[in-house]
Amino acid sequence: EDQVTQSPEALRLQEGESSSLNCSYTVSGLRGLFWYRQDPGKGPEFLFTLYSAGEEKEKERLKATLTKKESFLHITAPKPEDSATYLCAVQAWGSGNTGKLIFGQGTTLQVKP
Amino acid sequence: SAVISQKPSRDICQRGTSLTIQCQVDSQVTMMFWYRQQPGQSLTLIATANQGSEATYESGFVIDKFPISRPNLTFSTLTVSNMSPEDSSIYLCSVEGSGLAGGVSYNEQFFGPGTRLTVL
Repeated sequence: EDQVTQSPEALRLQEGESSSLNCSYTVSGLRGLFWYRQDPGKGPEFLFTLYSAGEEKEKERLKATLTKKESFLHITAPKPEDSATYLCAVQAWGSGNTGKLIFGQGTTLQVKP
Repeated sequence: SAVISQKPSRDICQRGTSLTIQCQVDSQVTMMFWYRQQPGQSLTLIATANQGSEATYESGFVIDKFPISRPNLTFSTLTVSNMSPEDSSIYLCSVEGSGLAGGVSYNEQFFGPGTRLTVL
């Protein structure tokens, strides 16, 4: 069964204190691993899709990496405006799985000034 | 990226009634998806809606409870029927964008702002 586990559930950082969020996954055949940011009361905002082990993508203070079993979202020198819930999801190949995203429970990040 | 709007943004409904949620996309897309996000939980796929065919429902979700329409390539509706307090959730539509860019294949999925439903 395809599954996604994110850790930690919650993370508190001081402004400027870099850290990483983890997303462990099991999937029959990975079509893509997705990262989203979700602010309270809003829909998820697309950040990245990673497709194969070794791939990395960056956007501002965020850098996502991928291995065959997990993905990390590294946050460098975070600011209070980076506070949000970060969601990881996987998409599998296969006729029954086309398009479907399987989400983890998310990591809620709070960055204090 | 796609711009997605949903109506209504929120609603409070009485048990036993039905609510239809609309999803509008600013470009033509083949696949549209409806997700549910229960309070404090992550997202779960309800169904996939392709234009010109019946929606495909995930395990635990049935057409009688969540009928879906997909009349064209930019619009879809999800109805939550015979509501109970357990249906109180955020309902989100999403679309997939995929293809080739610069010879490299890509696959992205964008979400609407959601409809926050409270059932009393």
